[in-house]
Amino acid sequence: AQKVTQAQTEISVVEKEDVTLDCVYETRDTTYYLFWYKQPPSGELVFLIRRNSFDEQNEISGRYSWNFQKSTSSFNFTITASQVVDSAVYFCALSEAHSNDYKLSFGAGTTVTVRA
Amino acid sequence: DTEVTQTPKHLVMGMTNKKSLKCEQHMGHRAMYWYKQKAKKPPELMFVYSYEKLSINESVPSRFSPECPNSSLLNLHLHALQPEDSALYLCASSQSHAGTSTDTQYFGPGTRLTVL
Repeated sequence: AQKVTQAQTEISVVEKEDVTLDCVYETRDTTYYLFWYKQPPSGELVFLIRRNSFDEQNEISGRYSWNFQKSTSSFNFTITASQVVDSAVYFCALSEAHSNDYKLSFGAGTTVTVRA
Repeated sequence: DTEVTQTPKHLVMGMTNKKSLKCEQHMGHRAMYWYKQKAKKPPELMFVYSYEKLSINESVPSRFSPECPNSSLLNLHLHALQPEDSALYLCASSQSHAGTSTDTQYFGPGTRLTVL
């Protein structure tokens, strides 16, 4: 079963628009970690954020913000005032503590295109 | 410093060639990973080394042979590959100082491999 679902395959916006990427996860573990990574065309996966299951506080980092809601098993990501440099594939991922298997369950990814 | 380096950036090889991919990190991380990523897909885990010992082999064909000479280096030896093995190969590392499997994974820029 898919543990992480990113329902949006592609999103295209004009510069300065806000864009929200959805991530829904599924786990029976009580201790788990959620991640967002950015993959620009160059290929490198860039780590953006790590959140543990006990910390539902939303987080803001510059133009990026994250909304973690355990009640809906969602960990959504918003880019405010998007820029062309934000164009990339964004992956949401889940790591479960009790599996102890080092695995990151990735979502399928959402391709964001920001047009000038 | 969260840098993972990989060489070469690009590699073209024939099906009878033997080549190696190299990955290096100097963050003192004790877990290192190889991933394979096909176009428009999320990364797929291949191997995990923890404290320089192979912890996980995700049923990878024997034409891929990993090696961890020391805590900073990870190699992937390639032999008799098939055209379908063409992909982006990503290396990652994580702290894992207590053997924990859920620490943030930091990725290198990848090697784009083409098998002719």
